[in-house]
Amino acid sequence: ETGVTQSPTHLIKTRGQQVTLRCSSQSGHNTVSWYQQALGQGPQFIFQYYREEENGRGNFPPRFSGLQFPNYSSELNVNALELDDSALYLCATTRVGSYNEQFFGPGTRLTVL
Amino acid sequence: DAKTTQPNSMESNEEEPVHLPCNHSTISGTDYIHWYRQLPSQGPEYVIHGLTSNVNNRMASLAIAEDRKSSTLILHRATLRDAAVYYCILRDATNAGKSTFGDGTTLTVKP
Repeated sequence: ETGVTQSPTHLIKTRGQQVTLRCSSQSGHNTVSWYQQALGQGPQFIFQYYREEENGRGNFPPRFSGLQFPNYSSELNVNALELDDSALYLCATTRVGSYNEQFFGPGTRLTVL
Repeated sequence: DAKTTQPNSMESNEEEPVHLPCNHSTISGTDYIHWYRQLPSQGPEYVIHGLTSNVNNRMASLAIAEDRKSSTLILHRATLRDAAVYYCILRDATNAGKSTFGDGTTLTVKP
């Protein structure tokens, strides 16, 4: 148990729609990162938020955006969904003073039809 | 971006040591080497990390080559619960949070 939860567990959307995925972590986990994991591949870094601001981003277009809230929860928003966006979306948090250990949630499985 | 290369799969017998290799020839000076593992239907789980020196913790040991272009995760006595996909990751300490995952090694543990 990492103390990181994600919702929903599964989600089906159609191409062109928008989706919001949610992540909740424990008190003191002030950094959150989001990853996209396609089937059979390793997770790909989307972006990281620290103190409610994005402070690192991978090779993902601007239609992937996020928010981090003061209550240690965060959101990943994806606009104009494409078929290739179908994947497992993972959030990972780190505690204050323990930057090197990320705590991952179980993920949200997004299917785009 | 720095990349990691790992064998697609490895097998081990229960209670024997396992050495999981990783190549990262383009590693930069600010990259930490992390290892995570992922069980089916779960998010990755932290195993160990290091920068230059070998590291030990309750789960495993990490041996880092002197030139830092490769590393080896060592499970001292494999159990059936260690069967998972193991990822070797470079985590840039200066580019906040950017972690480069490879495709991992699927470890099978035989009883």
